[in-house]
Amino acid sequence: NAGVTQTPKFRVLKTGQSMTLLCAQDMNHEYMYWYRQDPGMGLRLIHYSVGEGTTAKGEVPDGYNVSRLKKQNFLLGLESAAPSQTSVYFCASTVDGSYGYTFGSGTRLTVV
Amino acid sequence: EDKVVQSPLSLVVHEGDTVTLNCSYEVTNFRSLLWYKQEKKAPTFLFMLTSSGIEKKSGRLSSILDKKELSSILNITATQTGDSAIYLCAPIQGAQKLVFGQGTRLTINP
Repeated sequence: NAGVTQTPKFRVLKTGQSMTLLCAQDMNHEYMYWYRQDPGMGLRLIHYSVGEGTTAKGEVPDGYNVSRLKKQNFLLGLESAAPSQTSVYFCASTVDGSYGYTFGSGTRLTVV
Repeated sequence: EDKVVQSPLSLVVHEGDTVTLNCSYEVTNFRSLLWYKQEKKAPTFLFMLTSSGIEKKSGRLSSILDKKELSSILNITATQTGDSAIYLCAPIQGAQKLVFGQGTRLTINP
């Protein structure tokens, strides 16, 4: 099925470890986004990309890096995980940012 | 700074009741506003509102945008237990980004 695929779905990290979350879409969308969702809060934008090779900071970018080397993939990296980064991470994509946002099923990350 | 406020944050009603969820926003270069329903996983799309005063309907759900008041409401009539979820409001800001509110957690008791 066409859509947005996130891997992994669950992960437990120790403080200081690094990891990369992968978001892949097969809809030829230009725009891709990484959000985090914490209990009692809506989704907050971490980083986003408006096309291959571009990235930009969102509302809460500190502690994260991203790369968009291929149009279909958007990677979110944590260089040195902290307990404050325990959250559910959602990736989304859209044709041009004006409509039709498609979300992945989320990655639940716990940092201990 | 972009800001989206939803109210109430939490609502518990009985099956069959009608509910109204509110969303007010202040975003740079507002374009449209989206409503999502979130159960256990990813948000699922409900409505996209671009023009003021035009009601969008889908079954028992309806929504309307008021650009003058910078707000939107989502109505659910004859609620069912399957309507229990978090409802998220998200204006699209000028730089083509969704800005989410905190969400309203709706619980429908049988």
